[in-house]
This record gives sequence, C-alpha cells and structure tokens, in this order.
Amino acid sequence: DTGVSQDPRHKITKRGQNVTFRCDPISEHNRLYWYRQTLGQGPEFLTYFQNEAQLEKSRLLSDRFSAERPKGSFSTLEIQRTEQGDSAMYLCASSPSRDNEQFFGPGTRLTVL
Amino acid sequence: GQQVMQIPQYQHVQEGEDFTTYCNSSTTLSNIQWYKQRPGGHPVFLIQLVKSGEVKKQKRLTFQFGEAKKNSSLHITATQTTDVGTYFCAGRSRDDKIIFGKGTRLHILP
Repeated sequence: DTGVSQDPRHKITKRGQNVTFRCDPISEHNRLYWYRQTLGQGPEFLTYFQNEAQLEKSRLLSDRFSAERPKGSFSTLEIQRTEQGDSAMYLCASSPSRDNEQFFGPGTRLTVL
Repeated sequence: GQQVMQIPQYQHVQEGEDFTTYCNSSTTLSNIQWYKQRPGGHPVFLIQLVKSGEVKKQKRLTFQFGEAKKNSSLHITATQTTDVGTYFCAGRSRDDKIIFGKGTRLHILP
C-alpha cells in the first residue's frame, strides 16, 4: 500500500497522560499536514511541514501539542497532559507540493477518559 | 480571521434528484479544493479549482469557482446511492492557509 498510513488507528487514554501519533506520508511528498476532526465538523488545520521544516502552527495547537518531522519523511504528533477536549480524530495528509491535492491517511481516533 | 462557510449542513434527496452545496470564503482564495468523506472514512480529493470563473465537470459532478474567487459550488446531477457522504470544500488563502468548511452531509432516500 503506497498511501498515507497512521499509527495507531485508535488510542484510549486517561486524562493527564501523554500520547504520540505517527504518520507515514506518501514517499517523496514534501508537504505533510496534521488536522483534527470532531463529529459533524470539517478537518481543522493544526500544523504543516515542508520537508523537515514546520512552517505554520494553528492557534488551536496549544503548548501541550508538538509535532516533528525529523528527516522530512514520517511525522509524529505528541499531546502532553491530555484533556477530554482532545478527544477527536487526528488526520494526517501529504501532498507533493503546495498546490497539489492532499492525500489523507485513515486517521487516529483518540478517546480521553 | 479567515472563514469558510458551507451550506447546507445537511441535505436529504430522493435518488435521482439533483444536489448542490455552496461554499463561501470571507477572503479571496488562491484556489479551492473539494473532498468527499464517506461515513467512517477519510477525506478523498475530488477536484481543485484555481482560475476565476472556472467550471470543471467529472461525470455527474459540476464544480464552479466564482469570479471573485470567494465562493464555489458543487452540483451533482441525478444522485445515486453511491453519492452518500459528506462533501467538504477547502479554501487556500493567498498566505497559504487552508480552511475547510464544515461540510454538507448528503443522504439519499431510495
């Protein structure tokens, strides 16, 4: 499968715990995006990378959230001290360049108890 | 800040009827993309519109980009059960911000 993959697909955690999600984009895609989606809403932009450089972070991304793309390939999104409001689907997407279509992964569904 | 409004939020149509969803941005866009998300699935790219007044067709789907590059529409002719899902527009602003609309959920009545 040469699509975008995300791991894990589901994560249940207790409030206050840290979680980390991984995204493997399509090979050679320069751009990698992270979104959050809750029920009945569209994807909300969190951050994106051009190769290994993180170019923008949404105001939605509090200090508890951090993302990396160390070698310009896979990316990780970490949430520290999770809160119930963090429960959502976290989507990763990759794109060959700025103005191309985004290819979405299957998402990681986070439930914070 | 920049907003992308999409209407209607829900649409129920009889199979065979037409369907239209509208997207309006508070700012001029450099391009707009449309995605479809099936229940339980992830967004899948449908089309990208770049030019003012652009119209593109994909079989029964017709996409339009407004002259001012602030609004767009997706029209489906003679809906089929396979069209069920949520349709999102995603506007890219000139400063490279991407904002998704909240989507229009299409339900087909047999």
